[in-house]
Amino acid sequence: EVQLVEAGGNLVQPGGSLTLSCAASGFIFSDHAMNWARQAPGKGLEWVSFISSMGGTTIYADSVRGRCTISRDNSKNTVYLQMSSLRAEDTAIYFCARGRTVIDAWGQGTTVTVSS
Amino acid sequence: EIVMTQSPVTLSVSPGERATLSCRASESVSTTLAWYQKKPGQAPRLLIYGASTRAAGIPDRFSGSGSGTEFTLTISSLQPEDFAVYYCLHYYKWPRTFGGGTNLEI
Repeated sequence: EVQLVEAGGNLVQPGGSLTLSCAASGFIFSDHAMNWARQAPGKGLEWVSFISSMGGTTIYADSVRGRCTISRDNSKNTVYLQMSSLRAEDTAIYFCARGRTVIDAWGQGTTVTVSS
Repeated sequence: EIVMTQSPVTLSVSPGERATLSCRASESVSTTLAWYQKKPGQAPRLLIYGASTRAAGIPDRFSGSGSGTEFTLTISSLQPEDFAVYYCLHYYKWPRTFGGGTNLEI
């Protein structure tokens, strides 16, 4: 069974930093590209970032480019999202998700709250 | 970026009825369109990809159609567990963008 388990969400002050992680199991992690997406309170889903299976290609939404870095460690079956210069509008549930084209599996999410 | 617009925002229906949800793209995405079901506190669930192919384990009451800029998700006979928010997502190019969602309620 495919499992994606996010961790690292927390309450952080505006301007602060946070690193999210997503542990994958149930599939050959190094064969699959991964994504991060988010859902702000009361809002819809927003795609945030993509990383190719071997990490050579990374892509970001305009809303986070320059403030977020996606990376992965295929030896640990884990994908990361480093976030800095956090703003109130970054408050959301962050999901990791599998897929280069179709996103076919999602984690349950981890909550990031940016507030003073 | 491609803007995805879903309608209606809210759809009120009864169990057993048919529901038709729409998704429109601001430019052609061919058939690179997926539909997801989202319930509070749960992970999104892939229902349809390639505009019309049901994902593994998805009941056949869910069907998708369309290409280019106009897409439809149809749920033929609503079950109680189908009440949720539904999102479309294109994967034609970067950035990926979701529609704003349709809240399917009783």
